Amino acid sequence: DSGVTQTPKHLITATGQRVTLRCSPRSGDLSVYWYQQSLDQGLQFLIQYYNGEERAKGNILERFSAQQFPDLHSELNLSSLELGDSALYFCASSVRDRNSPLHFGNGTRLTVT
Amino acid sequence: AQSVAQPEDQVNVAEGNPLTVKCTYSVSGNPYLFWYVQYPNRGLQFLLKYITGDNLVKGSYGFEAEFNKSQTSFHLKKPSALVSDSALYFCAVRLYSSASKIIFGSGTRLSIRP
Repeated sequence: DSGVTQTPKHLITATGQRVTLRCSPRSGDLSVYWYQQSLDQGLQFLIQYYNGEERAKGNILERFSAQQFPDLHSELNLSSLELGDSALYFCASSVRDRNSPLHFGNGTRLTVT
Repeated sequence: AQSVAQPEDQVNVAEGNPLTVKCTYSVSGNPYLFWYVQYPNRGLQFLLKYITGDNLVKGSYGFEAEFNKSQTSFHLKKPSALVSDSALYFCAVRLYSSASKIIFGSGTRLSIRP
């Protein structure tokens, strides 16, 4: 168990809708990362937060947004959903040290129909 | 451009044989190197890392990796493969110059046949 909790595990919704994915990081970790993994694809970095502040942005669409709250949990909001947004969305957390690994949650599988 | 390459999409090995999953990187500065494993419907799990020191690092589940600075490689190895090693493996680089920048390779699917 990585200590990172993601909810929900599965989400099925229709095109055009909006969803919110939630992540609780490992206790003590201030950094939260969001990744998208499409079927049989690698990991696409979306965005990173550190202690409530945005620190790095990757290939995140304008329809997507995220935030990290004072209690350090994070939410990823996906709006105007398209079929191509169907994927596994992972959250990972880490301490700030450069030599520290990421700890991943088990992901949220989003299916857009 | 900074990048991590895993040149093989799939590696097939017979159980009991040694295995190697390749990773090369192209970054500026000193990198911190990691290997992760992903089982079906699960998140990535940390296997091992290289920060500095001995070029051969040992990790979880009997895996080890060899850092080669001149070849900019960090290949994952195991002396004797198990069927349970079958999974998706990712190499990653965390740049020394920026703790936020983490680059993942495209992943290699390891298949161990009985």
